[in-house]
Amino acid sequence: DQQVKQNSPSLSVQEGRISILNCDYTNSMFDYFLWYKKYPAEGPTFLISISSIKDKNEDGRFTVFLNKSAKHLSLHIVPSQPGDSAVYFCAARPTGANSKLTFGKGITLSVRP
Amino acid sequence: EPEVTQTPSHQVTQMGQEVILRCVPISNHLYFYWYRQILGQKVEFLVSFYNNEISEKSEIFDDQFSVERPDGSNFTLKIRSTKLEDSAMYFCASILRAEGVNYGYTFGSGTRLTVV
Repeated sequence: DQQVKQNSPSLSVQEGRISILNCDYTNSMFDYFLWYKKYPAEGPTFLISISSIKDKNEDGRFTVFLNKSAKHLSLHIVPSQPGDSAVYFCAARPTGANSKLTFGKGITLSVRP
Repeated sequence: EPEVTQTPSHQVTQMGQEVILRCVPISNHLYFYWYRQILGQKVEFLVSFYNNEISEKSEIFDDQFSVERPDGSNFTLKIRSTKLEDSAMYFCASILRAEGVNYGYTFGSGTRLTVV
């Protein structure tokens, strides 16, 4: 039961260009969406989040867009840097003080110098 | 910056043996979680813990699994009789409160459990 889907397993972009990582979800109860970055042998590191009452949240080079009607969100990284090369996980949770995160399978981003 | 600390970083155990994975969450956090990631698969929720009791657990978290917060700082995951399919990276996470400003859980760097 894949409630959070990241259909592209990998993405390769040139340094300086935009990286767009996509994520789809099926559970209408999800209210908060998060992106995590993960390097090998490390835990997921929180990047950016968005509440379902917003359609855009920006933090430096990272912007997350949410299209609630399409149940789709995307992470834009611009400009992309070689240090951004990692696995990116989309995660979602419903409203609630102790809600668990549901993760997608992740996208491996490679930024070429 | 505060961190979630997990020990050991790598644990090798024989099938059928008990293992205890340890975590020290961020000191003022109130909600604690265990997740795992089998190689090549997605990160999966195991259990959440609040106010000294389990709040929610997944189907994976069967009778072989248990969690404890024995001394107010450590948060442990015990697997009573390990199986080969328990081999995975186990991540501990904590959050101050789920309705916090960034909704971001802080994860530890994980324990790689290898069952042989």
